[in-house]
Amino acid sequence: GQNIDQPTEMTATEGAIVQINCTYQTSGFNGLFWYQQHAGEAPTFLSYNVLDGLEEKGRFSSFLSRSKGYSYLLLKELQMKDSASYLCAVRVYNQGGKLIFGQGTELSVKP
Amino acid sequence: AAGVIQSPRHLIKEKRETATLKCYPIPRHDTVYWYQQGPGQDPQFLISFYEKMQSDKGSIPDRFSAQQFSDYHSELNMSSLELGDSALYFCASSSPGLAGASSYNEQFFGPGTRLTVL
Repeated sequence: GQNIDQPTEMTATEGAIVQINCTYQTSGFNGLFWYQQHAGEAPTFLSYNVLDGLEEKGRFSSFLSRSKGYSYLLLKELQMKDSASYLCAVRVYNQGGKLIFGQGTELSVKP
Repeated sequence: AAGVIQSPRHLIKEKRETATLKCYPIPRHDTVYWYQQGPGQDPQFLISFYEKMQSDKGSIPDRFSAQQFSDYHSELNMSSLELGDSALYFCASSSPGLAGASSYNEQFFGPGTRLTVL
């Protein structure tokens, strides 16, 4: 089966750095995605990792360790608009490319 | 840039009624995915299509059916609606990869259809 875990909620301060962790147990791993979702809106793609290491994209970075089944999303220079749910999702081989989502981490950025 | 289009954006139905949700993928995207997201829940995969053929099936009830048409748009048909079907329904599309395999590329999500069953 597939299992993806991430913290339910986190709080951070504007201007700070926050790291959202995601652990997964899947067979046939074929990539890990991070999405941002504001309430009632569509998930928006943030990053994609399929090989071990760090992918940097502006204020957002994502890290993957396949041997540990672990990823994190790093958000720097937090802004109030970063308050949202952050979804970790895993793609599996030979299953049409569907995404299996974690339950999401609700991030609240405080002034 | 063109995005995924879903219609309607909001839909209110009574129990036991039927509903049809439509999805228009990004031009030249050949793969469509449907997800259901209940209140406070993560998106759950329902079904996907690649080149007009069903490519995978998830937790889609037998009361639901879907298809992808020759112009690559997709429709999700829902019958005998139940209160528990109230949710956001997202459609996502992806493009063929360098190897011609859609599964290697990111999925772009549409704005969703909010279905409320009374």
